[in-house]
Amino acid sequence: NAGVMQNPRHLVRRRGQEARLRCSPMKGHSHVYWYRQLPEEGLKFMVYLQKENIIDESGMPKERFSAEFPKEGPSILRIQQVVRGDSAAYFCASSPQGAAEAFFGQGTRLTVV
Amino acid sequence: DQQVKQNSPSLSVQEGRISILNCDYTNSMFDYFLWYKKYPAEGPTFLISISSIKDKNEDGRFTVFLNKSAKHLSLHIVPSQPGDSAVYFCAAAGGTSYGKLTFGQGTILTVHP
Repeated sequence: NAGVMQNPRHLVRRRGQEARLRCSPMKGHSHVYWYRQLPEEGLKFMVYLQKENIIDESGMPKERFSAEFPKEGPSILRIQQVVRGDSAAYFCASSPQGAAEAFFGQGTRLTVV
Repeated sequence: DQQVKQNSPSLSVQEGRISILNCDYTNSMFDYFLWYKKYPAEGPTFLISISSIKDKNEDGRFTVFLNKSAKHLSLHIVPSQPGDSAVYFCAAAGGTSYGKLTFGQGTILTVHP
């Protein structure tokens, strides 16, 4: 019974490149959430998705960031033209229905050099 | 605008004693509260939750207390064990989207043998 799987665990990108972060939810979970944790801070909500739908993207930066959760395959968080300030740990979580008790993956640590 | 605050960055406790972690919130729309535990380089793990219709919820060594009038909740761990050493995050949900958690900044708990 695999948990929430995120890959890669570590990602290094040069400024201006694109970063793609993948998240496979737990089996049976159709709700996915992305959070970002900057150094010395708590987790900040970014986006909430169901299959093929964005439910709440109020935490997403207006530019360069996008997320999808297609009918087949993992959820993808995409960051275009990365900058140093994008360096952070990005966590994906999933839940059945819209339950508040979400299960988190181990995160992807993005470093922009 | 920090809607969920954990004012103690760290807490140090002796093994076997009680650990009390505190959390305050400002948004009256929050009606569901959760505690997560996080080890370095791992994702947060759900510990315990409480709905606003209750003032206490207990699960083994963990008890969460909610004081709605004070907009305050606390997590009690008794007896504390060295394996409890981690970062503890308080989170809140409510309003139109239970999928969106608002996290506090976290408290680093160290339990000394």
